[in-house]
Amino acid sequence: KQEVTQIPAALSVPEGENLVLNCSFTDSAIYNLQWFRQDPGKGLTSLLLIQSSQREQTSGRLNASLDKSSGRSTLYIAASQPGDSATYLCAVSGRDSNYQLIWGAGTKLIIKP
Amino acid sequence: NAGVTQTPKFQVLKTGQSMTLQCAQDMNHEYMSWYRQDPGMGLRLIHYSVGAGITDQGEVPNGYNVSRSTTEDFPLRLLSAAPSQTSVYFCASSYSVRGELFFGEGSRLTVL
Repeated sequence: KQEVTQIPAALSVPEGENLVLNCSFTDSAIYNLQWFRQDPGKGLTSLLLIQSSQREQTSGRLNASLDKSSGRSTLYIAASQPGDSATYLCAVSGRDSNYQLIWGAGTKLIIKP
Repeated sequence: NAGVTQTPKFQVLKTGQSMTLQCAQDMNHEYMSWYRQDPGMGLRLIHYSVGAGITDQGEVPNGYNVSRSTTEDFPLRLLSAAPSQTSVYFCASSYSVRGELFFGEGSRLTVL
């Protein structure tokens, strides 16, 4: 059974730092992996989707990598800003017929001005 | 472009009452789903639909019904509300079953 883990649960860094958020999964037979951010009291916003055949995806200051063999994805945020403060979640879609995403519990990121 | 629209944003019910959470998307997405989010439990899938007329159960379907009569709408019905259904409910849609997922703003439900 696929399990998705995000460590740490919370992270606080000064503004301007580059940082990495981690997402680990136990079954490497994935179809794709998505990263989302959730602001307090709001819905989730899709940040990046990486297909199983891809190694990384980039959007602005965000770069997501995927290493299926090690069961790991990282979300790199460059030059962090207070507006990046949010909870970041990853979700994995498996290759089987089950469409259900398997979700990590998220990392709560605080960027200190 | 409205995206995924959920109504109401807030609702208070008494135990035993029924209600419907509305979800509509204007992106012509085939896949739609309902999640609930609870502290310490993360996101859990309630029901999903891969197209008009097709629905299926997710991880926590008990106490909820759905229907998909049109591509745009995917309402979630609470048949007889219980305090355990106090939660934040999110509707989400994507172009395909494993595509990029777009979420609504959420509906916060309290059952007394």
